[in-house]
Amino acid sequence: SQQGEEDPQALSIQEGENATMNCSYKTSINNLQWYRQNSGRGLVHLILIRSNEREKHSGRLRVTLDTSKKSSSLLITASRAADTASYFCATDFTSGTYKYIFGTGTRLKVLA
Amino acid sequence: DTEVTQTPKHLVMGMTNKKSLKCEQHMGHRAMYWYKQKAKKPPELMFVYSYEKLSINESVPSRFSPECPNSSLLNLHLHALQPEDSALYLCASRPGILGPGELFFGEGSRLTVL
Repeated sequence: SQQGEEDPQALSIQEGENATMNCSYKTSINNLQWYRQNSGRGLVHLILIRSNEREKHSGRLRVTLDTSKKSSSLLITASRAADTASYFCATDFTSGTYKYIFGTGTRLKVLA
Repeated sequence: DTEVTQTPKHLVMGMTNKKSLKCEQHMGHRAMYWYKQKAKKPPELMFVYSYEKLSINESVPSRFSPECPNSSLLNLHLHALQPEDSALYLCASRPGILGPGELFFGEGSRLTVL
């Protein structure tokens, strides 16, 4: 079963614009992570935010977490064509098992 | 070495064949994962090994049989698969057992069942 639902399912923007994607989940979590996947390739970890954190930054990435709304957002600023990929949130919602369940994903296309 | 290596990259098999997928990491990670991913879908968790012991089996059919011979190696044995099992199979590892940590993924093995 999937823990996270992401929206939008697909997003197309121009280079230089910002991209925002959202993840909602159903039960309490220990932490939430964002991953990126280029077409047909393995996933690459982007950022981890713990349940007691509200915001984290890493380069052009900004992640927020609202545990009261059970939601997180990933903002990519000043997007580049190379950011074209699928982005997934992953939640670790069961204490002690480190069972990471992936959300439905957002397919981002950045047009040059 | 910060890589998770999966072989083969591509595999085509018939429904009566027996084959195996292999995953190797030399980062000293003690938790290893198998995920299955269909096109345009998220990865679905299949199995988790912690310290070479199977800790999670997500009700995966017995035609998929995982094996962890040592801390660096994870296999997925395949037997009597169905065409709907065709997918990208992803292996991942994580640095530690205690506390949160990122997953390191291999590039995947693309399986086609005829």
